Amino acid sequence: EIVLTQSPAILSLSPGERATLSCMATDLDDNSVAWYQHKPGQPPRLLMYEASTRATGIPARFTGSGSGTNFSLTISSLEPEDFAIYYCQQRTKWAFGGGTKIEIK
Amino acid sequence: QITLKESGPTLVKPTQTLTLTCTFSGFSLDSPRMGVGWIRQPPGKAPEWLGIIYWDNDKFYKPSLKNRLTLTKDTSKNQVVLTLTNVDPVDTATYFCAHQLDGYPYFDSWGQGTLVIVSS
Repeated sequence: EIVLTQSPAILSLSPGERATLSCMATDLDDNSVAWYQHKPGQPPRLLMYEASTRATGIPARFTGSGSGTNFSLTISSLEPEDFAIYYCQQRTKWAFGGGTKIEIK
Repeated sequence: QITLKESGPTLVKPTQTLTLTCTFSGFSLDSPRMGVGWIRQPPGKAPEWLGIIYWDNDKFYKPSLKNRLTLTKDTSKNQVVLTLTNVDPVDTATYFCAHQLDGYPYFDSWGQGTLVIVSS
């Protein structure tokens, strides 16, 4: 079974700070990931796919990177609307990670 | 513009069958490479991918649910139906249907979700 481990579970930061989220996969088979942003009462929003391609309308402050089993999402300077939970999703088996919550410090 | 909306019962009793309908617009499930997936999210937990159905009626299911889950499509109505048999309280979750990004196994448009509670 594919396992995606996201870290940290919670990130306490202030607006304007840089956020770096990690997603580690257990399976090397044709690996890549997508990243989603999830806010309460809303469906998840696709931010990034194939590790580093921004989805339509996603601001340039969001950057994805990584390959193999290690992937990351960086938000260069947090805006108030970026405080949310972020999930990665693996390419070949559709599995989701456990999430990282970015909260206001 | 792609939109999707889930509909179905809010409360289901254990051992019963859950049937949810996803009604969509802005694309046709007759078109090559199109796919609609189902994802659920138990309260306070991460999303869990359940399955996906493609334009050519190819289907993939989460292995642990394969014996209980069925996806069907009605392209004339622009609908995808999820059927989950023998439900249990652990199936309590918000259920989302979502459009697969063209050519990639990710979801670029989601419905708002529908909460399903399994309880006697």
